[in-house]
Amino acid sequence: EDKVVQSPLSLVVHEGDTVTLNCSYEVTNFRSLLWYKQEKKAPTFLFMLTSSGIEKKSGRLSSILDKKELSSILNITATQTGDSAIYLCAEETSGSRLTFGEGTQLTVNP
Amino acid sequence: DTAVSQTPKYLVTQMGNDKSIKCEQNLGHDTMYWYKQDSKKFLKIMFSYNNKELIINETVPNRFSPKSPDKAHLNLHINSLELGDSAVYFCASSPTGVGYTFGSGTRLTVV
Repeated sequence: EDKVVQSPLSLVVHEGDTVTLNCSYEVTNFRSLLWYKQEKKAPTFLFMLTSSGIEKKSGRLSSILDKKELSSILNITATQTGDSAIYLCAEETSGSRLTFGEGTQLTVNP
Repeated sequence: DTAVSQTPKYLVTQMGNDKSIKCEQNLGHDTMYWYKQDSKKFLKIMFSYNNKELIINETVPNRFSPKSPDKAHLNLHINSLELGDSAVYFCASSPTGVGYTFGSGTRLTVV
């Protein structure tokens, strides 16, 4: 089974800071790399990345995939308290199986 | 509302009991899944069905049995519940080749 490793496991910042979350994955049967945000309940979809070097943006969040380094980063600029959540990275492999990392617990303090 | 809905949201039961969790999606997706999230927040796949056919069956005790009566439903039945089964169980669905939509989870507590 492919392994997905996220770092840091937890992060505490102040409102307005910029954060970078890291994800590395293994390559067997890779189809895509996904980012999810999980607050109290269900993980909610943020990004799906399939091509290396193409940044995807949604408001203050952006993400990019590096297939050479088998990694992805998720950037959040001008963080707000509402960004506090667990951010999950997942590798999608054949059969539409998702292998999740352990998550990064982000806490944004006012 | 278009969604993946699962019931119940909370389930507290005694060891040894048998319980079921139901999941329905009205998104027209082909594939449905069950994931387990343990106390360390790790989400791990348990089962996947595509058009009522089992396609992923991870190393899960055979006390867990999924049933898909049709493409829009995937239920999870658990026999002889054990303390270690306590977790949040998420149902999800996806169209082929695109990211998932998760249900809101069922928090199972075995006492």
